[in-house]
Amino acid sequence: LAKTTQPISMDSYEGQEVNITCSHNNIATNDYITWYQQFPSQGPRFIIQGYKTKVTNEVASLFIPADRKSSTLSLPRVSLSDTAVYYCLVGVTNQAGTALIFGKGTTLSVSS
Amino acid sequence: DVKVTQSSRYLVKRTGEKVFLECVQDMDHENMFWYRQDPGLGLRLIYFSYDVKMKEKGDIPEGYSVSREKKERFSLILESASTNQTSMYLCASSSPGQATEAFFGQGTRLTVV
Repeated sequence: LAKTTQPISMDSYEGQEVNITCSHNNIATNDYITWYQQFPSQGPRFIIQGYKTKVTNEVASLFIPADRKSSTLSLPRVSLSDTAVYYCLVGVTNQAGTALIFGKGTTLSVSS
Repeated sequence: DVKVTQSSRYLVKRTGEKVFLECVQDMDHENMFWYRQDPGLGLRLIYFSYDVKMKEKGDIPEGYSVSREKKERFSLILESASTNQTSMYLCASSSPGQATEAFFGQGTRLTVV
């Protein structure tokens, strides 16, 4: 069962900043938050990962508040090529290992 | 360049056939995963394996089995294919733990007729 909740879809225009928020109320102490991007007819690819506060890389920023019950993926100045599905996930760890449980994702549509 | 390779990009099988989907990774990863993706449902975990000969059920294991005889290879088996198993199947691999990145194959589009 997916542990995360995120909007089904979002629309934006080129050049805008896009923020996608994910809710993970039952996040465990050891859980990391990871975001993936998926283009049509391709497998998802890793974007960014964090545990707390803020993480930034060349593609995006990830903001995690102190209670870690939510996180926000920020895409600066999106372009048409950022149109994709974005998945937020939190690993489900038991004695066997860590299962990566994806939800339905957020479909981002960027227009000119 | 790291790689996860799925044996077929497209596959058409008949109802009742036994179907094997193969996945090979070259990163020496312990963890391997099989997902299916359907419109509006996102990626759903079928099975995962955290070591050779080890397997764990995901959210939707019914109608599927898996095999992991070697570290680099993880096979998904449809014992008797049915039309409701028509889907996109994605394989992934990763190192152990949470602070890790999963790498995905290109997917196999399976159609059961």
